[in-house]
This record gives sequence, structure tokens and C-alpha cells, in this order.
Amino acid sequence: SYELTQPPSVSVSPGQTASITCSGDKLGDKYTCWYQQKPGQSPVLVIYQDSKRPSGIPERFSGSNSGSAATLTISGTQAMDEADYYCQAWDSSTAVFGGGTKLTVL
Amino acid sequence: QVQLQESGPGLVKPSETLSLTCAVSGYSISSGYYWGWIRQPPGKGLEWIGSIYHSGSTYYNPSLKSRVTISVDTSKNQFSLKLSSVTAADTAVYYCAVHMVGGVMNWFDPWGQGTLVSVSS
Repeated sequence: SYELTQPPSVSVSPGQTASITCSGDKLGDKYTCWYQQKPGQSPVLVIYQDSKRPSGIPERFSGSNSGSAATLTISGTQAMDEADYYCQAWDSSTAVFGGGTKLTVL
Repeated sequence: QVQLQESGPGLVKPSETLSLTCAVSGYSISSGYYWGWIRQPPGKGLEWIGSIYHSGSTYYNPSLKSRVTISVDTSKNQFSLKLSSVTAADTAVYYCAVHMVGGVMNWFDPWGQGTLVSVSS
């Protein structure tokens, strides 16, 4: 079965750029999306189709996907961005989630 | 604006069947979209369970397929999940969501608030 791998945790200082990776076999050949989940809340879509932002998502969130890895980049990270982030792709008629990355802003 | 609300028992006994319903408002299920179920065990990551189209066409997670049935009731504008032979490992927050899938589409948005289901005797 297809697997997506994310680092368990990433730390970033306020105002700096955070990058969260998601790796999978030939992931660049698929479309990837990203979700943000804050404690006690439902996941929220922040990036879809590799790099598109839904309405209402700040411009500081961006995404890319090439080769075997997709990357979620948060520019000018704010304290409110501290959350768990999950990547997700579609393979062989199956939705697959990465294990999640806890972003700490300190 | 589509809104989703999960409902169902918060406690299920081992070996029994978990049953949840997702009520959809602000959009007619018959108009399109796939409708999905995703779960999250306490303190763990997200796991897709399956998705259904208004016509009844389904996609299931292969790891759960033998125990899962997802159905849709267009007259009530809701869809449902049944998971049989549950064990403690099925304890999780269960979410329903709009599943955009097909062609370049592959994402879940929006999500319901989630409902915690515990499996215990």
C-alpha cells in the first residue's frame, strides 16, 4: 500500500519560514494537499492540488510537489500557525494521509 | 456553504457494529460530490475510511473494506457509516467531510466537527 512520510515535528521561530515535507514514491506524479489541525478542532484544508490556497487561507501558506516529495511552506510564521499538519494524496483509488507533523513556533 | 454534522452513539461494545450518520446542510447530496468518512484515534493521525457518491458508488480503504459499509440517503440529505466487529482499536474521533475526488481533484473540504466513539464493554 502507498505510504506518505512526514517528520514528526518541526520547530520555527516567529517570523521565520517553516518547511514541512511529505515524501512518497513518485509523489510528484500525484496531486497533494495539506491540512492544518489545531488541538480539539477539525482539520482545515490549507493547500490543494499541490500549491493552490482555498479562499480564506493566508498567502503565507504555499506548497510545492516534485520528484518524491511535497513541501508545505509557511512564510513569516505566526504563533497562530502552531498546529499539526497532514499531507494527503490519492493512489489506486485510495486516500492516503501522512502521519502528521507537529509545528512548534517558539 | 456546506455544513456537516456527525451523530451516533458515543460508546459501542466490542464485536458490535458502530453506526454513524452525517447530516448535510447548505447543499443537496444529490447535486454531486463524494462524501467521505475519516477517523483519528486519540493522539494519533488521520485515517481515511471510505467515500460515497450520491449514486451509491463507493471507494473504501482496503484495510477496512471487509468491515465497512457506507450508504447515502438523498431523501434525508445524509450519509452513513457502519463498521462491524469493532475492537478497542476502532476508538477514535470520526469525521465526515466533502470529498473532492476525480481528475486533478483529491481533497476533503469542509469537515464536520467530529464525534468521539469509544469501544468498550
